[in-house]
Amino acid sequence: ILNVEQSPQSLHVQEGDSTNFTCSFPSSNFYALHWYRWETAKSPEALFVMTLNGDEKKKGRISATLNTKEGYSYLYIKGSQPEDSATYLCAFNRWGYGQNFVFGPGTRLSVLP
Amino acid sequence: ETGVTQSPTHLIKTRGQQVTLRCSSQSGHNTVSWYQQALGQGPQFIFQYYREEENGRGNFPPRFSGLQFPNYSSELNVNALELDDSALYLCASSLFGQAPNTGELFFGEGSRLTVL
Repeated sequence: ILNVEQSPQSLHVQEGDSTNFTCSFPSSNFYALHWYRWETAKSPEALFVMTLNGDEKKKGRISATLNTKEGYSYLYIKGSQPEDSATYLCAFNRWGYGQNFVFGPGTRLSVLP
Repeated sequence: ETGVTQSPTHLIKTRGQQVTLRCSSQSGHNTVSWYQQALGQGPQFIFQYYREEENGRGNFPPRFSGLQFPNYSSELNVNALELDDSALYLCASSLFGQAPNTGELFFGEGSRLTVL
């Protein structure tokens, strides 16, 4: 059974704090790693699609890095804002499995004003 | 462009009944995937449809079945419902086999099924 882990499970930060969380995945047969943001009562939305070892992606205050050899990705949020409050999911895709993504359980972030 | 829509948003069934959930893909997408999210877990892959055929299946029993229609919309059918089937069911559409083939999933808001 393929396992994708995320840590921490949840965290609370103050507005303006910077934070980061981790996604761990199997290092063999890597094809892609996605990050999604899921706000309450909405649908998950893609933040980043990462495919190459060493990839670094950035969107505004949010960035992500990828290490496929050791099987982890970090998501960073600089200067957290209340609107960043959401569950952040990572999803792993292997070679030969089409678009069958294995999701982690998510990190629930609450940003307090 | 229209996003992914799912119906119904909420429904309650009893054990042994059957349920059909529906999904309309985002315009221009040719692939639909279904995921089950139980409480406290990440979404679990049920199956994917491409060109109206099943194109990959997760660890779900045969009583979970699906269809994809020529307009790329899709249905998820679950027979002989069990209590453990209570979950949020997410549909995601994507573009497969054509550039840009990033594999990015575009999700609907889900159908929440409660089995009593």
